Amino acid sequence: EIVLTQSPGTLSLSPGERATLSCRASQSVTSNYLAWYQQKPGQAPRLLIYGASIRATGVPDRFSGAGSGTDFTLTINRLEPEDFAVYFCQQYGSPPPIFTFGPGTTVDIK
Amino acid sequence: QMQLQESGPGLVKASGTLSLTCVVFGGSISSNNWWSWVRQPPGKGLEWIGEIYHSGSTNYNPSLKSRVTMSLDKSKDRLSLKLSSVTAADTAVYYCAREPPRGNSNSEYLKAFDIWGQGTMATVSS
Repeated sequence: EIVLTQSPGTLSLSPGERATLSCRASQSVTSNYLAWYQQKPGQAPRLLIYGASIRATGVPDRFSGAGSGTDFTLTINRLEPEDFAVYFCQQYGSPPPIFTFGPGTTVDIK
Repeated sequence: QMQLQESGPGLVKASGTLSLTCVVFGGSISSNNWWSWVRQPPGKGLEWIGEIYHSGSTNYNPSLKSRVTMSLDKSKDRLSLKLSSVTAADTAVYYCAREPPRGNSNSEYLKAFDIWGQGTMATVSS
């Protein structure tokens, strides 16, 4: 089973700054099946990126994903107040089919 | 626009069975999507429980497979999750989520979840 590690655990930034979040997999992720989610307190996760770099419908273009193999990055340019949240990466692997999530990175206001 | 809504008893006794449902609004459970359950213990991360297709085909997380049963009721556009022999470690918010196809494909899926329910809290009591 592939294990995902996210760093840093917490990122303290100011609005307008750039956030760079890392997700590292213990083995190569199949076909770049790597997704990123945003979660705010009391809410369900929201899909931001799938296929490592494809923005989901309605996601602002200040969010971008990159990477392949075992190293992936989520970048948020020009942080807006609503971007302060927890971000999870998620991968899909098989066999057997399984989805696994990273532990999350909290982006909070400095 | 499709929405998902989970519901359940809220409180379950240890060693018992947790039973949850998820209703699909604004769409059909028989559409070309996989439907998953994901859970999140309070203050912790996300764990995929398993998935089901409208044909009844299922895939379960190996760590939970022996205790999980997923089913669906097409007439009511409803998914069901049963988790047996529960312990305090099963206390969590349980979400249902949709995995859609990639583009217009009939066989390639997103491998990500684009629509989530609001979640339902399930607490295991001793």
